[in-house]
Amino acid sequence: GAGVSQSPSNKVTEKGKDVELRCDPISGHTALYWYRQSLGQGLEFLIYFQGNSAPDKSGLPSDRFSAERTGGSVSTLTIQRTQQEDSAVYLCASSFDRTSETQYFGPGTRLLVL
Amino acid sequence: AQSVSQHNHHVILSEAASLELGCNYSYGGTVNLFWYVQYPGQHLQLLLKYFSGDPLVKGIKGFEAEFIKSKFSFNLRKPSVQWSDTAEYFCAVVGFTGGGNKLTFGTGTQLKVEL
Repeated sequence: GAGVSQSPSNKVTEKGKDVELRCDPISGHTALYWYRQSLGQGLEFLIYFQGNSAPDKSGLPSDRFSAERTGGSVSTLTIQRTQQEDSAVYLCASSFDRTSETQYFGPGTRLLVL
Repeated sequence: AQSVSQHNHHVILSEAASLELGCNYSYGGTVNLFWYVQYPGQHLQLLLKYFSGDPLVKGIKGFEAEFIKSKFSFNLRKPSVQWSDTAEYFCAVVGFTGGGNKLTFGTGTQLKVEL
């Protein structure tokens, strides 16, 4: 079956604009994660969804960042009033459920804020 | 809070050389440990994982890692590297606090294997 897909693959935006990043997890996976990969920073956790439970937002760096997951499947990460420091690769991952130890990663969205 | 340290940021080896990449984690409880690999232009993918049992785990492509609980370490090894092993390698840990499998990653090690 298909893996995790993300769109767009690349996004260039101007400082102050809003952006939306999309993630389609593997079908049947109930857990979905967003991470950010910044140059020199490694990968950092942003937010986690599990089924219909309230998301774990503990990794979101500021209130400009938000995410939704509709119907327990597709997720959208929104960054409002983008800043240059938001430039990074945003990765989505999914796993079968919250106890599954293996996460499957998408190709990422490379965001560049000018 | 859990954290992961990878000591080698850039490693350059010749083909057939042996590889060991260091990984230490900080977490007081039960952990699951992972190595992920990102080949140039490809997704992050799981190389190997440890969550219980034999502390020496074997992964894909001849890689193995040893969990040494007393040293909080999970070093990655391969006896003889190939040019195709050129990639970035990430160590990651999940600590069981009931908050789901939030991976905490190290900063990664860029491995370049020269012919």
